[in-house]
Amino acid sequence: AQRVTQPEKLLSVFKGAPVELKCNYSYSGSPELFWYVQYSRQRLQLLLRHISRESIKGFTADLNKGETSFHLKKPFAQEEDSAMYYCALTGFQKLVFGTGTRLLVSP
Amino acid sequence: KAGVTQTPRYLIKTRGQQVTLSCSPISGHRSVSWYQQTPGQGLQFLFEYFSETQRNKGNFPGRFSGRQFSNSRSEMNVSTLELGDSALYLCASSRVGAVTEAFFGQGTRLTVV
Repeated sequence: AQRVTQPEKLLSVFKGAPVELKCNYSYSGSPELFWYVQYSRQRLQLLLRHISRESIKGFTADLNKGETSFHLKKPFAQEEDSAMYYCALTGFQKLVFGTGTRLLVSP
Repeated sequence: KAGVTQTPRYLIKTRGQQVTLSCSPISGHRSVSWYQQTPGQGLQFLFEYFSETQRNKGNFPGRFSGRQFSNSRSEMNVSTLELGDSALYLCASSRVGAVTEAFFGQGTRLTVV
């Protein structure tokens, strides 16, 4: 079964602190993993995907197939990073989302 | 390039009624997916269409249906509305045949009273 688990509903940090949003998945095969972000009053949008191996807005995520994880990291959080973050995988023509983690960055 | 457009943005319906939501994908995108977003369940996959064919369906009752037209525009219909159908319904489009990067619309907020 395809499943994405985000164990933290809320992650609260101070500006400048490191951030790690956890994501674990289960999938029989080689999934494609994504992080989507939803800022307040904006539409859900792609933040990054594992195959691009790029850093977006200072965020990176590494796919660890052994631990079936795809954690999102940023060394120094900014207030504008406050948003809802969803980890997702694709399989069989659909995106399977985790329940999301709300990141709150305080000044 | 225009983004994914969903209409209407807001709807209020009463129990037992039916509703139709519309989605216009990004030009050139042939895959359209629908999701239900609720605070308790998060984002739940409803169905996906590609070239007017439903390729995948989520675990929703038969009251939820959809279709895609030759211009890739899609509609979803919910019949015999229940209070629990109140949610934000999101449409997403993808360029290629496999669902890779999805572009989401703003959603239609459906309230059933």
